[in-house]
Amino acid sequence: EIVLTQSPGTLSLSPGERATLSCRASQSISSNYLAWYQQKPGQAPRLLIYGASSRATGIPDRFSGRGSGTDFTLTISKLEPEDFAVYYCQQYVSSPRTFGQGTKVEI
Amino acid sequence: QVQLVQSGAEVKKPGASVKVSCKASGYTFTSYDINWVRQATGQGLEWMGWMNPNSGNTDYAQKFQGRVTMTRSTSISTAYMELGSLRSEDTAVYYCARRYYDSSGYSYGFDYWGQGTLVTVSS
Repeated sequence: EIVLTQSPGTLSLSPGERATLSCRASQSISSNYLAWYQQKPGQAPRLLIYGASSRATGIPDRFSGRGSGTDFTLTISKLEPEDFAVYYCQQYVSSPRTFGQGTKVEI
Repeated sequence: QVQLVQSGAEVKKPGASVKVSCKASGYTFTSYDINWVRQATGQGLEWMGWMNPNSGNTDYAQKFQGRVTMTRSTSISTAYMELGSLRSEDTAVYYCARRYYDSSGYSYGFDYWGQGTLVTVSS
């Protein structure tokens, strides 16, 4: 099983600041099958990034993903008020399709 | 537009079973996997398994083996997740999610999610 470890657990920032979230895998993720999701309270997760670096449909370009192998990063270039949420990484290359424990981005 | 609409909240007693439905619309139901993910209150996302709606093939997380069954009805474009031998720790919101992949087989992750179904297990 691929274990994903996200850091930090909580990120306290202000609107307009840059957020950098990390996701480290216990083994290499082939085909870069690594996704990032955003979840707000009471809502289902929303796909932001797939294939480690491709933005999903309708996702603003302030969201970017990079990385390969075991180390991945999600960057939000300038935080908007609606970006304060919990972010999860997920690998979908092998079963079980595990999630990281999440990073909360708070004001 | 693509939609996954789940059945309503359930309250079950310990030891009982629950069956959650996920009705797909706006795309060809048999073309993409349906995954099930759950989330206990205040906790993270936990993947339970997936089903190929075309073949009916399934793959369950080891944690749920023997307790979960994922099925579908292609005639009504609906996927089902049944979890048995319920215990209090199964109290959670259960989501279905579509795994999209293109004609070359390249996967885009879970691009559409249902609204979630709260299952409460309480005596």
